[in-house]
Amino acid sequence: AQKITQTQPGMFVQEKEAVTLDCTYDTSDQSYGLFWYKQPSSGEMIFLIYQGSYDEQNATEGRYSLNFQKARKSANLVISASQLGDSAMYFCAMTEGQSYNTDKLIFGTGTRLQVFP
Amino acid sequence: DGGITQSPKYLFRKEGQNVTLSCEQNLNHDAMYWYRQDPGQGLRLIYYSQIVNDFQKGDIAEGYSVSREKKESFPLTVTSAQKNPTAFYLCASSILAGLYNEQFFGPGTRLTVL
Repeated sequence: AQKITQTQPGMFVQEKEAVTLDCTYDTSDQSYGLFWYKQPSSGEMIFLIYQGSYDEQNATEGRYSLNFQKARKSANLVISASQLGDSAMYFCAMTEGQSYNTDKLIFGTGTRLQVFP
Repeated sequence: DGGITQSPKYLFRKEGQNVTLSCEQNLNHDAMYWYRQDPGQGLRLIYYSQIVNDFQKGDIAEGYSVSREKKESFPLTVTSAQKNPTAFYLCASSILAGLYNEQFFGPGTRLTVL
């Protein structure tokens, strides 16, 4: 069965510093997608970044980058130049199954990031 | 503006009552999903629908029911059979074009059963 593991319940980072949030996954599928979402205290889930299993380059979206190491089954999120507004819960997720016509996701338990001045 | 709306934001019900959570999207997305989130946990899939008049159970469907009569709407009913319904419920949608697509989420409904 597929599984997402986020081992850091909480992380602290100083404003303007970079931070890495860990995510490891377990799957026997050859094709899959990996996602990161941000959940502020308001509760809404905000999509940050996506990495396909066959993508050779690491995904980047502005200050967010995904450190994808396929052999290690890890998909760590790197946030550069942290801002106070980055304080939130962060969830790693992956697609479930190899069906072309589904976007079912399984989620990790999340990491709470707190950015301090 | 395109997006997903969920109503109400907070909902209180007495034990034993059925309650329906609303989810509407104007993104013209094909697929819609319902998730449940408990404190300190990630999201768990309740039901999903890829097309009108069709839906499939997720990992924790017991005690819930859904309908998909219109592309834009995917209401979730929490029945009295759900043993522990107090939770945060999130609705999402995706376009189902290409290999994998991100899901867009609504603001959520926090249900408290007294």
